[in-house]
Amino acid sequence: EVQLLESGGGFVQPGGSLRLSCAASGFTFSSYAMSWVRQAPGKGLEWVSAMSGSGGSTYYADSVKGRFTISRDNSKNMLYLQMNSLRAEDTAVYYCAKQQSSGYYSPLDYWGQGTLVTVSS
Amino acid sequence: EIVLTQSPDFQSVTPKEKVTITCRASQSIGSSLHWYQQRPDQSPKLLIKYASQSISGVPSRFSGSGSGTDFTLTINSLEAEDAATYYCHQSSSLPFTFGPGTKVDIK
Repeated sequence: EVQLLESGGGFVQPGGSLRLSCAASGFTFSSYAMSWVRQAPGKGLEWVSAMSGSGGSTYYADSVKGRFTISRDNSKNMLYLQMNSLRAEDTAVYYCAKQQSSGYYSPLDYWGQGTLVTVSS
Repeated sequence: EIVLTQSPDFQSVTPKEKVTITCRASQSIGSSLHWYQQRPDQSPKLLIKYASQSISGVPSRFSGSGSGTDFTLTINSLEAEDAATYYCHQSSSLPFTFGPGTKVDIK
């Protein structure tokens, strides 16, 4: 059974940093691209970042480019999102999601339960 | 960036009624359009992939159609458990984008 478990969310002041983690199990982690998707309170879904299965390529939404860094440790089946220079508009539930294939251009077939990040002074 | 628009924004439906949700892309995306269901306080769940392909475990009352720029999600014979927000999502080109969502409420 595929499981994705996010952690690391919390309360942070504007300009601060936070590192999210996603523990994956139930599939061959290194064979699949992974994404982070966020959802601001009461709002819709926003794709944030994606990384290939090997970790060799990454993509970011313009809204987080230069501030967020996605990474993965295939030996530990872990996905990460390092978030720096956080802004109030980054407040959201952050979901870790598995792409259906090794490439990005595929649907997100499994999602974690999400972790809430609140940026406020 | 490819913009996805959905209609309607909200729909209140009686059980067993048919629901149709449309998603329009700002440029052609072939069949790289997927549908998700998000029930209140839950994570999104993949319902339909590549416009019309079914997903194992998803009830057969959910179906999708379309290609290019116009897509449709149909729920035949709505059940109470289908109360949720439905999102379309394109994986044709980066940055990937989602539609704004359609909330389906049960009367």
